[in-house]
Amino acid sequence: DAGVTQSPTHLIKTRGQQVTLRCSPKSGHDTVSWYQQALGQGPQFIFQYYEEEERQRGNFPDRFSGHQFPNYSSELNVNALLLGDSALYLCASSVQGADYGYTFGSGTRLTVV
Amino acid sequence: GQQLNQSPQSMFIQEGEDVSMNCTSSSIFNTWLWYKQDPGEGPVLLIALYKAGELTSNGRLTAQFGITRKDSFLNISASIPSDVGIYFCAGGRSGGSNYKLTFGKGTLLTVNP
Repeated sequence: DAGVTQSPTHLIKTRGQQVTLRCSPKSGHDTVSWYQQALGQGPQFIFQYYEEEERQRGNFPDRFSGHQFPNYSSELNVNALLLGDSALYLCASSVQGADYGYTFGSGTRLTVV
Repeated sequence: GQQLNQSPQSMFIQEGEDVSMNCTSSSIFNTWLWYKQDPGEGPVLLIALYKAGELTSNGRLTAQFGITRKDSFLNISASIPSDVGIYFCAGGRSGGSNYKLTFGKGTLLTVNP
């Protein structure tokens, strides 16, 4: 049973560019959350998607947007990249109603130069 | 964004020793979770606590949900080399439209064989 799959595992972008990160949730999970983990920090909540809608958002600017598809997979888009956006981006999937029963993926390491 | 106060920041211990780490918050949570993160991986859930005063064990790990609902601790008994990693606490306020977890900055544990 595959867990949460994230792609790509690493990427390097230039300031001002745009990036799309992808997440396939664990089989049977219908909810996807995205977290940003800067070096030496704990994960910070970006937003959560359920039924193809963003239902809660953390303290992140509008440059961060997302999407959930009918098959429950999700994308995180970041526009106008800043150096400070360099981080590990984690996707976590869960079943609606299972309080915080998250399964995390291994993350995408984004470096902005 | 808000992060929980987690201590110590790092620990270096000998194999076989017991370990204790804790997490405090200025606000109340109704769920406390403890995760372990290995290099290049996402966090993995160790223990979940859902009730104030609750004491829960998972093998050599024991965690407690503080009575005030503003703190939690994690103990590891008889440490082994594979306990090496970063341990994170996380608080949640389930119910209503709140789905995010707030994480601490982590405790880096090193075990000397």
